[in-house]
Parts: sequence; structure tokens; C-alpha cells
Amino acid sequence: GAVVSQHPSWVICKSGTSVKIECRSLDFQATTMFWYRQFPKQSLMLMATSNEGSKATYEQGVEKDKFLINHASLTLSTLTVTSAHPEDSSFYICSARDLGGAAQPQHFGDGTRLSIL
Amino acid sequence: GENVEQHPSTLSVQEGDSAVIKCTYSDSASNYFPWYKQELGKRPQLIIDIRSNVGEKKDQRIAVTLNKTAKHFSLHITETQPEDSAVYFCAAPKDTGGFKTIFGAGTRLFVKA
Repeated sequence: GAVVSQHPSWVICKSGTSVKIECRSLDFQATTMFWYRQFPKQSLMLMATSNEGSKATYEQGVEKDKFLINHASLTLSTLTVTSAHPEDSSFYICSARDLGGAAQPQHFGDGTRLSIL
Repeated sequence: GENVEQHPSTLSVQEGDSAVIKCTYSDSASNYFPWYKQELGKRPQLIIDIRSNVGEKKDQRIAVTLNKTAKHFSLHITETQPEDSAVYFCAAPKDTGGFKTIFGAGTRLFVKA
């Protein structure tokens, strides 16, 4: 159980393109999902918390107009990187937590490797 | 807010030996400490976790110990195998609400055959 599906797994596109990444909880409902960015050989950095039916909460230093998050249902959150540039190239990973609060493990998607040319 | 420090950043052991990775945290109210294993290009996978009401938890070759007084927790892998080679991350609740998670910097474990 507790499977999180993330698509696409790999994107290569030109500078200025907007890219949408989907994160789905397949067998459980996730009122909250998390979006992380991971640069090579670095840790996971939390970008934002995606809340079903309300606005996302962004971490300090993350541009909300650059990284648009929509959490339209209990099983789907999307991250759109708008007008992507080479410095946005990274590994983006979503996660979701079962209902039950903070003392529960997170379940991660497979990640999306984004390369901006 | 929480601050998590992880050591060492790199660890190389011989197959069959034990590996120990340590993390310290700053928020005494933190109550949940997971450990994740991440292989190259793949998702982090939970390997073991511990809640603040116990001091140790074991699952086959993997164990986690928690010292609440000193605010540190450690991952112990015994009888290491080459397939244990990966990056390991500790984590702790980010703030007093505990809903978000902050990750340690990671430890790259190499198990030499």
C-alpha cells in the first residue's frame, strides 16, 4: 500500500517552456502533499506544502509565481515550473503522508528529472 | 525551527562490517525520526523509523537508537552487503507543529566487496 505515482519521470525542454509535474496517491487519500527539489549530491529541500482545496504554503526563498502548485483533489497535486530556465534543472520529488498526523512516514514518488536547455 | 545535522557525509566499510550514521536535532519537542535510503536516481525509501517513546528499534540488520536527552539518533547497519551502498538520510519534524519534515545532508555509504 501507500503508493505515490509521479509523472513524467524525465523532461528535457527549451528555456522558457513551462513544465507540469503530476503527483498522485494511488491507494490512499492525501490531504497534504509535499514538493521537494534535490540537486546532485545534495539533500532534499522542501519547496512547498500542497494542501487540498487551498493555497500551497511555500518555503522561504521559493518563488510561488515560478512554481505553481495545484491540489485539486485528495489524490492529485501538480507542480508547474513556469518559464523554466537552466538553473531550474533539478530532480523534483513529491511525497504524501497518510492521514494520522506528523508521526507517520512520507511516501515518495519516483521523482522527475528536469533538464532545461 | 528544527535543525538536523548528519555525520559522516561519506562512509566506506568492508563487506560484513557494521556502519553507523549519526544525526542530531535541535527541537526537543520532535517526536518522530525516520531514516531513508536513496539509490542513485531513485526515490527515497523508508527503511526504519522511531518514535520518541522508545529508545531503540530493530529490523533484521538495521537498528535505530534514540537519545532524547542528548537529542541525537543513530542508524546501525550490521553485516553490511554491497547492496547497502546508497545515500542515507535522517529526518525530523521541521517545526513545533511537526507536520513538515527536514532532512539531514545525507551520508554516502560505500560497502566494498
